[in-house]
Amino acid sequence: KAGVTQTPRYLIKTRGQQVTLSCSPISGHRSVSWYQQTPGQGLQFLFEYFSETQRNKGNFPGRFSGRQFSNSRSEMNVSTLELGDSALYLCASSQSTGTAKNIQYFGAGTRLSVL
Amino acid sequence: QKEVEQNSGPLSVPEGAIASLNCTYSDRGSQSFFWYRQYSGKSPELIMSIYSNGDKEDGRFTAQLNKASQYVSLLIRDSQPSDSATYLCAVNDLYGGSQGNLIFGKGTKLSVKP
Repeated sequence: KAGVTQTPRYLIKTRGQQVTLSCSPISGHRSVSWYQQTPGQGLQFLFEYFSETQRNKGNFPGRFSGRQFSNSRSEMNVSTLELGDSALYLCASSQSTGTAKNIQYFGAGTRLSVL
Repeated sequence: QKEVEQNSGPLSVPEGAIASLNCTYSDRGSQSFFWYRQYSGKSPELIMSIYSNGDKEDGRFTAQLNKASQYVSLLIRDSQPSDSATYLCAVNDLYGGSQGNLIFGKGTKLSVKP
């Protein structure tokens, strides 16, 4: 069974540009969550999508957005990039069992560098 | 603000010793707890999940949960140099209306010396 696939693995952008990251979940998983990881703040929750709907959102500015398609694949978009957006962006998928025992599996991540 | 606290380390242990990693959390209503291992430059990999008070063992790993003290720990027996990584404690946040939000500690860096 294939794992969570994130593309691209690396990105270099300049301030003010926008970027789109993609995530394909494990087959059969309907929930996709996105996280930002930086050395200073650690792993922080961005948002979660389930059945094409954003179900939960973390404390990030509106420049960060996402969507989910009918095949559960998800994209996140960051507009008007800032230097502080440089980070490892991780996608996690889960079956969303409806219980507290929901386990999330992470993709390899996209490392974004903003110059 | 829901928080998960970990000692950042580094925690250094000799090969073959027991490594003990600790984590506290602020939300008394939290119901599920996870330990992830992250090697440098890689993504987090699930090691253990625990949902009930007490111990849960899986090979060389034992997770311990004490909900009254809001404390969860991970013991690694017979530590190997390949265990050298950052260990992330995560707690499931149920109050966002879903189970899709994990709150992570900043991780404890473990170094196992040969």
